[in-house]
Amino acid sequence: NAGVTQTPKFQVLKTGQSMTLQCAQDMNHNSMYWYRQDPGMGLRLIYYSASEGTTDKGEVPNGYNVSRLNKREFSLRLESAAPSQTSVYFCASRITSGRPTDTQYFGPGTRLTVL
Amino acid sequence: AQSVTQLDSQVPVFEEAPVELRCNYSSSVSVYLFWYVQYPNQGLQLLLKYLSGSTLVKGINGFEAEFNKSQTSFHLRKPSVHISDTAEYFCAVSYSNTGNQFYFGTGTSLTVIP
Repeated sequence: NAGVTQTPKFQVLKTGQSMTLQCAQDMNHNSMYWYRQDPGMGLRLIYYSASEGTTDKGEVPNGYNVSRLNKREFSLRLESAAPSQTSVYFCASRITSGRPTDTQYFGPGTRLTVL
Repeated sequence: AQSVTQLDSQVPVFEEAPVELRCNYSSSVSVYLFWYVQYPNQGLQLLLKYLSGSTLVKGINGFEAEFNKSQTSFHLRKPSVHISDTAEYFCAVSYSNTGNQFYFGTGTSLTVIP
């Protein structure tokens, strides 16, 4: 049981390049999330998926797209990377949707630098 | 607006001393409160959570937090810290009317000094 896994762990991009961050969970959770973490700003929600087949915008969705490929996998895509997207990206999952009491489980993070 | 405020961005404390990390929230509906810890170069781990019932919640590693509805606070405490407690601590809230979203504070960096 690996929990939540993310690939890659580190990435350096040039402005304008595209890439996809991968996230997978093996806990049979329904809900999955993408956050970015910036110094002094805590974690901010980019997108989330309450269940397979649905996605919704969070607080800072601009410049990102997501795909809930199946119940296990939730990917985050940067179509044209910008320096402002330099950040640490965390994926998380929860067992259910719509129930605010459930704990989120986090992956180890992806450190992205855009030059 | 619903939000979470962590008043202290950095807290240095000597080893074996007590510590309190402060968290306040704003809400007009029922809330569920969480504290997470992030060790260097790792993801977040749940320390403890308040859902209902007793306002004093005990978590892992000797941490506890007290929910105070009148002061809209959920401060984290530990009576005696260890070097290994050096980490970033995040308060988070989930609201009864926004079940799918969590809102995080900006974090408090705890440094335990030998």
